[in-house]
Amino acid sequence: NAGVTQTPKFQVLKTGQSMTLQCAQDMNHNSMYWYRQDPGMGLRLIYYSASEGTTDKGEVPNGYNVSRLNKREFSLRLESAAPSQTSVYFCASALSPYNEQFFGPGTRLTVL
Amino acid sequence: AQSVAQPEDQVNVAEGNPLTVKCTYSVSGNPYLFWYVQYPNRGLQFLLKYITGDNLVKGSYGFEAEFNKSQTSFHLKKPSALVSDSALYFCAVRDNGDSSYKLIFGSGTRLLVRP
Repeated sequence: NAGVTQTPKFQVLKTGQSMTLQCAQDMNHNSMYWYRQDPGMGLRLIYYSASEGTTDKGEVPNGYNVSRLNKREFSLRLESAAPSQTSVYFCASALSPYNEQFFGPGTRLTVL
Repeated sequence: AQSVAQPEDQVNVAEGNPLTVKCTYSVSGNPYLFWYVQYPNRGLQFLLKYITGDNLVKGSYGFEAEFNKSQTSFHLKKPSALVSDSALYFCAVRDNGDSSYKLIFGSGTRLLVRP
C-alpha cells in the first residue's frame, strides 16, 4: 500500500496564479484533511471531509477550495495564490474522525 | 473551543537518559489525545493515542504517554532516549463533544538527543 500520496512535491507560483494540490489514499479511509504547516505554528486545518460527499471549513479556509472527488481523492485548490500561502501542505486521512490520521509526505509551495 | 499547548520549543537530553515532552490541553468535553512525530522533510507519523481507559498509553518505538485529567496533561515519555529519536513532536487534541471533528495541533517540540 502506498498510504497517502500527494502531488506535486514542490511548486513555485507567481502571485495570482492558480493551482490544485492532489491527494489520494488507498487505505479505504472515510475522512480526509488538508493542513498547512508554518514555522512555529504547528499544523493548521484548512478544510476537511468527514466522509465522501461532505466538506467543511477548518481554521484557515480563506483563499482555498476543496473537492472530495471520490472516496480516495481530496484536492485543494488555490484560485489566486498570495505570498501568505507560502507553506508546506499536508494531506491526511483517517478511518473516521475518531481515529488517528495518516499523513502524506507534503507539498512545499512557494508563492513569489 | 479546544486548544493544546506544548510549553517547550526544544528539549535536550543525553542518549540513554529518560525523556519527557510536555503537552497540556483544554476542551469542554472529554479529550481524544494524540502524539505524532515528524522527521525532517517528512509527513507526520502517528505514535500513540488516548481515547478512554488506562491512563498510561504505550505506543510505537518505546514511547508512552500518561493522561492526567486533573492536570489536563498528556506528556510523552521514553525511559531511554536514542539519538534516532531526535525529531519534531506534536501533541494534538480533539473534543469528543465537538461535532466539527477538528483535530487541533500544538506548535511542536523539537527533541534533540545528543550522543
